[in-house]
Amino acid sequence: QVQLVESGGGVVQPGGSLRLSCAASGFTFNTYGMQWVRQAPGKGLEWVASLRFGKSDEYYADSVNGRFTISRDDSKNTLYLQMNSLRADDTAIYYCAKGRDNYGLDFDHWGQGTLVTVSS
Amino acid sequence: DIQLTQSPSFLSASVGDRVTITCRATQGISIYVAWYQQKPGKAPKLLIYAASTLQSGVPSRFSGSGFGTEYTLTISSLQPEDFATYYCQQLNSFPLTFGGGTKVEI
Repeated sequence: QVQLVESGGGVVQPGGSLRLSCAASGFTFNTYGMQWVRQAPGKGLEWVASLRFGKSDEYYADSVNGRFTISRDDSKNTLYLQMNSLRADDTAIYYCAKGRDNYGLDFDHWGQGTLVTVSS
Repeated sequence: DIQLTQSPSFLSASVGDRVTITCRATQGISIYVAWYQQKPGKAPKLLIYAASTLQSGVPSRFSGSGFGTEYTLTISSLQPEDFATYYCQQLNSFPLTFGGGTKVEI
């Protein structure tokens, strides 16, 4: 069955960096688009970034564009999110999510999430 | 950017009730809408895609409809396990956006 397991969250000071990982299994990783979605404490869902399969196209929310980078290593079935210049409003649970089909931008499987806290 | 407005934000209902949640978009998005259910402390779960197609394994009491700028999620007979927060999402164009959520409470 499909599994997505995020890691790399933690507490970081404002201005700091963090790299999240999402280990995928149970499907042909290199044929699906993947994305990151976050949820601030007590708030709704916010799309962060998407990466098509084949690493061909990256898309970012305005709130993270220029600070975050989404990438993937298909040999390791792993999705990444490099987060730089972190701010307090980046504090959230970060979920990785699999596209429903090869080009899908709706998400049929989600990880359990990893908490990122930006605080001094 | 396409904004999604869900209504109501909170809904109080009883087991067996028929529940309807509305999602309105600021511009036409065809059928590029999905609906998710999220329970406290859990990741969201896909319920409906392409505005009206039931995701595999989702009970048939859930249904979706709509086209253009107005969409609805309906639960025909609310069950105890359906008390949760529901979100719509548009995938017509980047940036992808979610509605603000509808919390369904007892």
